[in-house]
Amino acid sequence: EAGVTQSPTHLIKTRGQQATLRCSPISGHTSVYWYQQALGLGLQFLLWYDEGEERNRGNFPPRFSGRQFPNYSSELNVNALELEDSALYLCASSLALAPDTQYFGPGTRLTVL
Amino acid sequence: EDKVVQSPLSLVVHEGDTVTLNCSYEVTNFRSLLWYKQEKKAPTFLFMLTSSGIEKKSGRLSSILDKKELFSILNITATQTGDSAIYLCAVNQGAQKLVFGQGTRLTINP
Repeated sequence: EAGVTQSPTHLIKTRGQQATLRCSPISGHTSVYWYQQALGLGLQFLLWYDEGEERNRGNFPPRFSGRQFPNYSSELNVNALELEDSALYLCASSLALAPDTQYFGPGTRLTVL
Repeated sequence: EDKVVQSPLSLVVHEGDTVTLNCSYEVTNFRSLLWYKQEKKAPTFLFMLTSSGIEKKSGRLSSILDKKELFSILNITATQTGDSAIYLCAVNQGAQKLVFGQGTRLTINP
């Protein structure tokens, strides 16, 4: 069974640009979660999507947004990039009936110069 | 403010030793506590704990939750170099919001 996949692996942007990160959940999983792991900090919850809807959001500004497509894959968009947005962005997915058990992808390393 | 605190932040032991990793939490809502192992990038799920006093075991790893004292421990016996990783503790507050601790970096020397 294929795991959660994310693309790209690495992304380099400059301040003010926009970044788009993509995630494909495990087959059969309808929930997708996004986390930010900045250097020296723990994982910070960003967003939760289920059945195409945003269900919950962490303490991040509105320039962090995303969406979930009908095939349950998801995109995370970060607008007006700032230096402190440099981090590893992890996507996770879960079954609707087992929401506590989240399976993580390998992440996208975003570097903002 | 909701927080999850792990200790120690870093631990170096020799192969064969037994280690205990700690996780304490203060959150407004509690649904479950989870342990993950992060070796390179993707954290991998270890345990989910919801009830106090019930030990979960998987091979040499075990974990238990104390909901009265608001903490959990992860034990690893007969450690191996492959156990070297960052161990993450997280509390699910409901609405699938996980609050993570900073992690414990465990290094097992041969």
